[in-house]
Amino acid sequence: SQTIHQWPATLVQPVGSPLSLECTVEGTSNPNLYWYRQAAGRGLQLLFYSVGIGQISSEVPQNLSASRPQDRQFILSSKKLLLSDSGFYLCAWSILAGGYNEQFFGPGTRLTVL
Amino acid sequence: GQNIDQPTEMTATEGAIVQINCTYQTSGFNGLFWYQQHAGEAPTFLSYNVLDGLEEKGRFSSFLSRSKGYSYLLLKELQMKDSASYLCAVLDSNYQLIWGAGTKLIIKP
Repeated sequence: SQTIHQWPATLVQPVGSPLSLECTVEGTSNPNLYWYRQAAGRGLQLLFYSVGIGQISSEVPQNLSASRPQDRQFILSSKKLLLSDSGFYLCAWSILAGGYNEQFFGPGTRLTVL
Repeated sequence: GQNIDQPTEMTATEGAIVQINCTYQTSGFNGLFWYQQHAGEAPTFLSYNVLDGLEEKGRFSSFLSRSKGYSYLLLKELQMKDSASYLCAVLDSNYQLIWGAGTKLIIKP
């Protein structure tokens, strides 16, 4: 069976500090990978998605970046955090098969920037 | 532009029935998903509709009308544990999920 891991679960960082959130998937090959951010009480905002190693598409201009160094590893980074970067960060994976693209979510990382 | 509309919040009584509506305008359509999200947790899959009609799964049912750009999620025999946000999402022509903002459902005893 497939599982998706994210860490850390919670993070408190000062403004201007760097960020690195990691997501790994087990039990599947060549998945599509996604990073979402969810502000309190709001919907999901797609930040980045990747269809393969080294292939990253950015949906929203921001001070964040993403990398996919391995097939099942997706990393979200920032060189200098802003207050507005606070939120709930979710990683998801999917396999597009026959037009069906259900996404499976990791447990999320709650980031607070002070 | 692409747009998905859901009510922001709904309140219902334990044991009752509630219908959560979703209307969409997207560039293409390859299916519609409903997800449930409890506070502080990740969304979990509830249902998928790609053809018109009603899909029933236990206490939950989902309906789709592609010509009207409309779906609803029907929850029967409401339980307190059904208190959560319900997210509607549409697969567009590029097979990307376009997400609604979610409907917060509050269940009262």
